Amino acid sequence: EAGVVQSPRYKIIEKKQPVAFWCNPISGHNTLYWYLQNLGQGPELLIRYENEEAVDDSQLPKDRFSAERLKGVDSTLKIQPAELGDSAVYLCASSLEATDTQYFGPGTRLTVL
Amino acid sequence: EDQVTQSPEALRLQEGESSSLNCSYTVSGLRGLFWYRQDPGKGPEFLFTLYSAGEEKEKERLKATLTKKESFLHITAPKPEDSATYLCAVQGNSWGKLQFGAGTQVVVTP
Repeated sequence: EAGVVQSPRYKIIEKKQPVAFWCNPISGHNTLYWYLQNLGQGPELLIRYENEEAVDDSQLPKDRFSAERLKGVDSTLKIQPAELGDSAVYLCASSLEATDTQYFGPGTRLTVL
Repeated sequence: EDQVTQSPEALRLQEGESSSLNCSYTVSGLRGLFWYRQDPGKGPEFLFTLYSAGEEKEKERLKATLTKKESFLHITAPKPEDSATYLCAVQGNSWGKLQFGAGTQVVVTP
């Protein structure tokens, strides 16, 4: 069974530029998560989707971050404009339902110069 | 607010030298405690879920235990391939929200 797929794996941009990350969850998983992981720290939840609905986006900096999950499958996380402090690994995870185990993708490492 | 503290931050072991990692937590209504393994440049890989005090789970050289305040991950006779960062996370009253600790980086030398 294919795992969570993310692209790109690496992205280097200049500050103030926009950037987007894509995630394809495990087939059949209704719940999708975006996490941010800083170096030496554990992942922190940014947003959780149940199907197409964002049910927990309390930790998403809405002035510059946005996300969507059209048709309840793939998801895109966008940052516009990027700041130096956004350099981190962005992880996508999915689970059958919110009560189930979360499985993570390989992440996208973002470097903002 | 849910909190997770892992210790030690880093652990260097000789191959075959058993040890334990600690995960202390405070949570409102524990729904589950999770252990993940993370290799450099990869996403966390699920290992175990523990639901109630006294519960234990094993997988190869790893054994996880749970009390009301902490969890331990015991590594028995580790091999170099067990080198990784081990992350602990709790799920409290908010379904779907995992609160992670900072992890313990384990290095096993031959």
